[in-house]
Amino acid sequence: SQTIHQWPATLVQPVGSPLSLECTVEGTSNPNLYWYRQAAGRGLQLLFYSVGIGQISSEVPQNLSASRPQDRQFILSSKKLLLSDSGFYLCAWNRGLNQPQHFGDGTRLSIL
Amino acid sequence: GDSVTQMEGPVTLSEEAFLTINCTYTATGYPSLFWYVQYPGEGLQLLLKATKADDKGSNKGFEATYRKETTSFHLEKGSVQVSDSAVYFCALGNTNAGKSTFGDGTTLTVKP
Repeated sequence: SQTIHQWPATLVQPVGSPLSLECTVEGTSNPNLYWYRQAAGRGLQLLFYSVGIGQISSEVPQNLSASRPQDRQFILSSKKLLLSDSGFYLCAWNRGLNQPQHFGDGTRLSIL
Repeated sequence: GDSVTQMEGPVTLSEEAFLTINCTYTATGYPSLFWYVQYPGEGLQLLLKATKADDKGSNKGFEATYRKETTSFHLEKGSVQVSDSAVYFCALGNTNAGKSTFGDGTTLTVKP
């Protein structure tokens, strides 16, 4: 069966520090991969999605970047975190058009 | 573009009450429709889905019927439990790289 792993579960970082969040999927090949941010009590904001290795589409201009160095690995990064980067970050995958997405457990990021 | 409108929350019910969370959508083509549930501090889980008009998705006592004529996919449960307290998201599948369009979520609190 397929599984998705995200880490770390929680992270507290100072303003201006770098960020690296990792997501890996097991049990499937060539998945579509997604990064979302969820502000407290709010809906989902799609940040990036990828349909293949090295292929990244950005949905909103921001302080973050994403990379997909391997088929089932998706990384969210920042060189210098801002206070506004705080939130709950979710990674998800699916198999293609009109398919449901499968979510990781999320990373709670707090910026001090 | 595609959009999903959900009933605004929060919704507070007593245990064993009937639940309806309204969801309407705007889309081109023939999207699949989904309901997800998010428990506190966790990622989203697929609750149920429907892939074509008049399909009924069901799971764990929850049901939703794909109504093309009213562009709706309302979530219902006949008797809610305290353990159903969560945030519920309505979503539709897209034909663009497998992305989904999510509603803003509806928070349900069930009191004993």
